[in-house]
Amino acid sequence: QVQLAQSGAEVKEPGASVKISCKASGFTLSSFHMQWVRQAPGQGLEWMGVVNPIGYNTSDGQKFQGRVTMTSDTSTNTVYIELRSLRSDDSAIYYCARAVPGSGGFDCWGRGTLVTVSS
Amino acid sequence: DIQMTQSPSTLSASVGDRVTITCRASQSISDWLAWYQQKPGKAPKLLIYRAYGLESGVPSRFSGGGSGTEFTLTISSLQPDDFATYYCQQFQTFPWTFGQGTKVEIK
Repeated sequence: QVQLAQSGAEVKEPGASVKISCKASGFTLSSFHMQWVRQAPGQGLEWMGVVNPIGYNTSDGQKFQGRVTMTSDTSTNTVYIELRSLRSDDSAIYYCARAVPGSGGFDCWGRGTLVTVSS
Repeated sequence: DIQMTQSPSTLSASVGDRVTITCRASQSISDWLAWYQQKPGKAPKLLIYRAYGLESGVPSRFSGGGSGTEFTLTISSLQPDDFATYYCQQFQTFPWTFGQGTKVEIK
């Protein structure tokens, strides 16, 4: 069964870092684009970045100003996103999702990881 | 960045209505557009890929159209399960931006 299992909810203080995992089952990560998207409470979807099948990643550098690192571990079929220097407006649900390269749509999504940034 | 603008932001409709949502891109994106449905507390669900490709398992009452800068998502006969928020996403150029969403409400 194709699914993406994300790590659990996190509560962090401002200035801290958070690292979220997304473990794939039923398929091999290295054949897919893996994107990260977040959604603040009551808001729309915000694209954060993508890791391509050969591990090259692109993030929205202008929006996140170098605070984001995306990595993948082929041995565990898991992708990660780390967000540093957390601010209160980073509080959101973070989703991972997969797409077949060239398909033009992300067809499988994780359930999301809630990150709360609060002092 | 390519800006994606959806209209309307909110749509009130009745079961059985034909509903069309529009997504406009600030520059041409060819057919590199997807549509998603999201219900409260749930992850988005892919409906349409490459502007008009119907994702497997999605009811045929959903259809996508358009190319270049203007795209549509049409629901031919709105069903109770379709009340949700719909988003478009472009894949032409990084960052792969989303529209702001269209909430379909019960009239």
